[in-house]
Amino acid sequence: DADVTQTPRNRITKTGKRIMLECSQTKGHDRMYWYRQDPGLGLQLIYYSFDVKDINKGEISDGYSVSRQAQAKFSLSLESAIPNQTALYFCATSERGGPLSGYTFGSGTRLTVV
Amino acid sequence: QKEVEQNSGPLSVPEGAIASLNCTYSDRGSQSFFWYRQYSGKSPELIMFIYSNGDKEDGRFTAQLNKASQYVSLLIRDSQPSDSATYLCAVKRNTGFQKLVFGTGTRLLVSP
Repeated sequence: DADVTQTPRNRITKTGKRIMLECSQTKGHDRMYWYRQDPGLGLQLIYYSFDVKDINKGEISDGYSVSRQAQAKFSLSLESAIPNQTALYFCATSERGGPLSGYTFGSGTRLTVV
Repeated sequence: QKEVEQNSGPLSVPEGAIASLNCTYSDRGSQSFFWYRQYSGKSPELIMFIYSNGDKEDGRFTAQLNKASQYVSLLIRDSQPSDSATYLCAVKRNTGFQKLVFGTGTRLLVSP
């Protein structure tokens, strides 16, 4: 099984619908992140969480919300989906602090809003 | 100015050649540097990281860091068609929560 699992892998939804993307990890990492990736724009940080009670906005949090249900689970919600939220979404995890801890990414969710 | 800059490419090299991928960063206090490989539609995969000036080798990959010039590079020796991917440079800040800041990536094409 993958260390960081994202569901669903692909999703097509209609404008105005609420949708939830889920992420779970078995790496035992404290920190979890949600990114979106658009062609030519790279990875943009949406939200990040250091533990269950510590959730922070990233660069592009408008229109998104998150929930850290447990140390291993971090969900991203689009309250009312719009077409420009069509993108590839990645969940990532990292160990607590330290200069050498890189991120481990999930396999991604391709979201299309029509 | 972007915090982490990469040429978007594509960088085209023949099979067996050395591919050289470059990255510059603006935060002089950055402390560690990561290279990720991303195949189209797939998730980024960590190749290697470096935090000291100089070279770090891992198999066919060599990361080079020059903090004075705020420059980090990735060399891929004996390039293979399977190396064709987008390579993301990421820089870890020395302030705040030490998040990784990603460049937009360089697309590498290795032709047989």
